[in-house]
Amino acid sequence: GQSLEQPSEVTAVEGAIVQINCTYQTSGFYGLSWYQQHDGGAPTFLSYNALDGLEETGRFSSFLSRSDSYGYLLLQELQMKDSASYFCAVRDSGGFKTIFGAGTRLFVKA
Amino acid sequence: KAGVTQTPRYLIKTRGQQVTLSCSPISGHRSVSWYQQTPGQGLQFLFEYFSETQRNKGNFPGRFSGRQFSNSRSEMNVSTLELGDSALYLCASSLEGTGYEQYFGPGTRLTVT
Repeated sequence: GQSLEQPSEVTAVEGAIVQINCTYQTSGFYGLSWYQQHDGGAPTFLSYNALDGLEETGRFSSFLSRSDSYGYLLLQELQMKDSASYFCAVRDSGGFKTIFGAGTRLFVKA
Repeated sequence: KAGVTQTPRYLIKTRGQQVTLSCSPISGHRSVSWYQQTPGQGLQFLFEYFSETQRNKGNFPGRFSGRQFSNSRSEMNVSTLELGDSALYLCASSLEGTGYEQYFGPGTRLTVT
């Protein structure tokens, strides 16, 4: 089956850079997505990587290595508002089901 | 464009009752997925619909069912509610059903007493 692993918590200082890792095991792979969820809110889409390499969107970047079954989300110039949970997600081998990691809780300190 | 809407936002039900939750996707989006989110279990996949067809179902008992209408709106139903069904139920839509980029509604917070 499919599974994703990511750290449960990460703490960083305002203005710093933080990397949230995600390793996955899938029988078929269609790409890795990232979502952000603030407390009490709904998940919001951040990025999607289908091919190896780095995708940059403003302060957020996402990286994928298909050979290592590994990806990460990089947040630069951290702000207090970045305190949230971050989920990585993949589509299952059949392509009609999305599996989410358990989420990484990011705490940004002043 | 309006985002994904879900109704009701909050619901309190008693064990044994049934409940129907509604989701309206972003205009033009043909795929709708449903998830159950609890503190200990994260986001668990319930169903995915595309053009009124259920394409996949997660590992949930038959008490959980759903459907999608011709206008892409979707409903999910939970019968014979149990305490463990208390959760945030999230609906997400995507444009063509590839699922790589999903847009979530605010969710329905269901409490079963």
